[in-house]
Amino acid sequence: DGGITQSPKYLFRKEGQNVTLSCEQNLNHDAMYWYRQDPGQGLRLIYYSQIVNDFQKGDIAEGYSVSREKKESFPLTVTSAQKNPTAFYLCASSRTGGGEQPQHFGDGTRLSIL
Amino acid sequence: AQSVTQLDSHVSVSEGTPVLLRCNYSSSYSPSLFWYVQHPNKGLQLLLKYTSAATLVKGINGFEAEFKKSETSFHLMKPSAHMSDAAEYFCVVTERQNNLFFGTGTRLTVIP
Repeated sequence: DGGITQSPKYLFRKEGQNVTLSCEQNLNHDAMYWYRQDPGQGLRLIYYSQIVNDFQKGDIAEGYSVSREKKESFPLTVTSAQKNPTAFYLCASSRTGGGEQPQHFGDGTRLSIL
Repeated sequence: AQSVTQLDSHVSVSEGTPVLLRCNYSSSYSPSLFWYVQHPNKGLQLLLKYTSAATLVKGINGFEAEFKKSETSFHLMKPSAHMSDAAEYFCVVTERQNNLFFGTGTRLTVIP
């Protein structure tokens, strides 16, 4: 079955440490996205990529970095510069980057600080 | 400017009774509108979408939504709630490439 796989499901970060969240899709979608979800809030866009080797900052990119070297993969690195990283992180993809395209979501990674 | 307001943060209904989750939006252009559902510790699943076709949109699991331009609303409805409908629901509006705006969510509780 086609879909989006996020790993790990749970992740713990020590102070000053960078961690990388994995996102892989086999839907042959061009566009991929990373969101952060905090309790009682909607999703906020961190980064998005419309095509391989290209990505743009979203609303809350500070303290995060991404790469898009392959169509099916869009890893997110939470750097030590992100002072409040505890959140639920969701990866999504869509067939193209058009706003009318529905997005398909992975099951998320929950990141906590040790 | 775009924005989305989900009018209720929490809705409780009895099993078998109707569900109404309210969403109002503001948009400068003709928007695309979506409803997504999220079960605990899961990603979001698309329920339905409106993209300027019929104003009454039917989705999965018996849900439907009505687009009312005059009221700038896109409320989600279901005639009869099931226990499995208990989840968080998000209304989403977009009018430009990659600019999705999520509401803050409505948590639906279904009482047996």
